[in-house]
Amino acid sequence: AQSVTQLGSHVSVSEGALVLLRCNYSSSVPPYLFWYVQYPNQGLQLLLKYTTGATLVKGINGFEAEFKKSETSFHLTKPSAHMSDAAEYFCAPAGGSEKLVFGKGTKLTVNP
Amino acid sequence: DADVTQTPRNRITKTGKRIMLECSQTKGHDRMYWYRQDPGLGLRLIYYSFDVKDINKGEISDGYSVSRQAQAKFSLSLESAIPNQTALYFCATSDWIASAGEQFFGPGTRLTVL
Repeated sequence: AQSVTQLGSHVSVSEGALVLLRCNYSSSVPPYLFWYVQYPNQGLQLLLKYTTGATLVKGINGFEAEFKKSETSFHLTKPSAHMSDAAEYFCAPAGGSEKLVFGKGTKLTVNP
Repeated sequence: DADVTQTPRNRITKTGKRIMLECSQTKGHDRMYWYRQDPGLGLRLIYYSFDVKDINKGEISDGYSVSRQAQAKFSLSLESAIPNQTALYFCATSDWIASAGEQFFGPGTRLTVL
């Protein structure tokens, strides 16, 4: 069965610094990989997704993620953090039976 | 108008009460899902449905039941609520193939069981 690990339940960066949120999935290659974002007191919205083709995926708000099959990873990055990026981020590989398996989330804090 | 709506948005109830959370969608998707979110645990799947006659248990279905009244409506029931069911509940929909697995989420229902 598919599983996912997000390293770091809390990440804190300074405004303008690089954002790196880590995600590793289990050894079975998922057909799809997602990052969702949850802003305070809101639902989840799609940040970006990998399906097929190019392994570097660009999403909204300047985020991108790279699918690395050899490392079973799908880390999320943004070159320069903004205060508005403060949120909780969830990595979600597709599991079997048309389901997503969500990581436990990483809460990003951006300091002025 | 929102594509996926949930009612109520907030609910406080007492232990032992029966409660129903409702989800409606206008996206025309056949796949619908119920999750609960707890701090530090991410989202966990309770039930999912591929159509009106196809309902499946997720990883944490004990204490919950569901009803798919129509393609657009999927309700979650707690027959006898208990305090550890206090959580944020999300409904999601998907047209798995057309949307390449993407799920679309409702705004959530915050449930408190006293």
